[in-house]
Amino acid sequence: AQSVTQPDIHITVSEGASLELRCNYSYGATPYLFWYVQSPGQGLQLLLKYFSGDTLVQGIKGFEAEFKRSQSSFNLRKPSVHWSDAAEYFCAVGATGGGNKLTFGTGTQLKVEL
Amino acid sequence: GAVVSQHPSWVICKSGTSVKIECRSLDFQATTMFWYRQFPKQSLMLMATSNEGSKATYEQGVEKDKFLINHASLTLSTLTVTSAHPEDSSFYICSASVGGNTEAFFGQGTRLTVV
Repeated sequence: AQSVTQPDIHITVSEGASLELRCNYSYGATPYLFWYVQSPGQGLQLLLKYFSGDTLVQGIKGFEAEFKRSQSSFNLRKPSVHWSDAAEYFCAVGATGGGNKLTFGTGTQLKVEL
Repeated sequence: GAVVSQHPSWVICKSGTSVKIECRSLDFQATTMFWYRQFPKQSLMLMATSNEGSKATYEQGVEKDKFLINHASLTLSTLTVTSAHPEDSSFYICSASVGGNTEAFFGQGTRLTVV
C-alpha cells in the first residue's frame, strides 16, 4: 500500500522568503503525485500534479515541485512566499490503476510572517 | 470544466438523526467517486470508493451500515450518515473522476456538526 510522509507539521517563513515543503512517498511503481492547499474551513485546491514526463512540475500561484524517484520525494517549492500563501498543504499519492484514489500526507501548516 | 459540487456546505443535526450529503459532478460524468473524512487539524482519510451502479467499497474500519453511500447516476453520489453521534462530527469531502487513471476533482466539502 502507498503512504505519504510530510515531515514538517508546521513551517514559518517570512514574506518574500523562499519555501520548500517536503514530501516523501512509498509506492512500488510509478506514482501519481499531487500537492493540494487548504485554507481554514475550505475544500482542497490542486496546486500541481505529476503523472509522468518532466520531473519538474509547474503549478498555480508560482509553485513548483520536483519528482525525484531516487529519493522517493516530491517537494514543493516557491521562490518568494506571499502572506496569502498561509494555509495547510497536503501531499498526496495515487496508485496506478487508480490514480484518482489518493492517500494523503498529514499536512504541513504554513505560517507567513509579515 | 471539471466542477464537483457538494451540498450542503455545512449542516448541524441532532444526535440520533440521519444526514445526507450530496456530491455532484456538474460538467462531466463521474464513473467513480470517493468519500474522504477529515477530523480537525488532521489529514484526509479515504472512507469509501463508489462506482456508478454498484456497491461502494469501504476502507478498513469504516462502518458501511453507518455511512451509506449511493452512486445511482453518473453525476451524483450521496453519503448518508445514519444515527449520527457527536463523534461523527467532521469535514466530509468527495472527489469524482471519469475513471481509471484519471485525475479526481474535489468538492468543496461539508462540515457536519452533531449536537
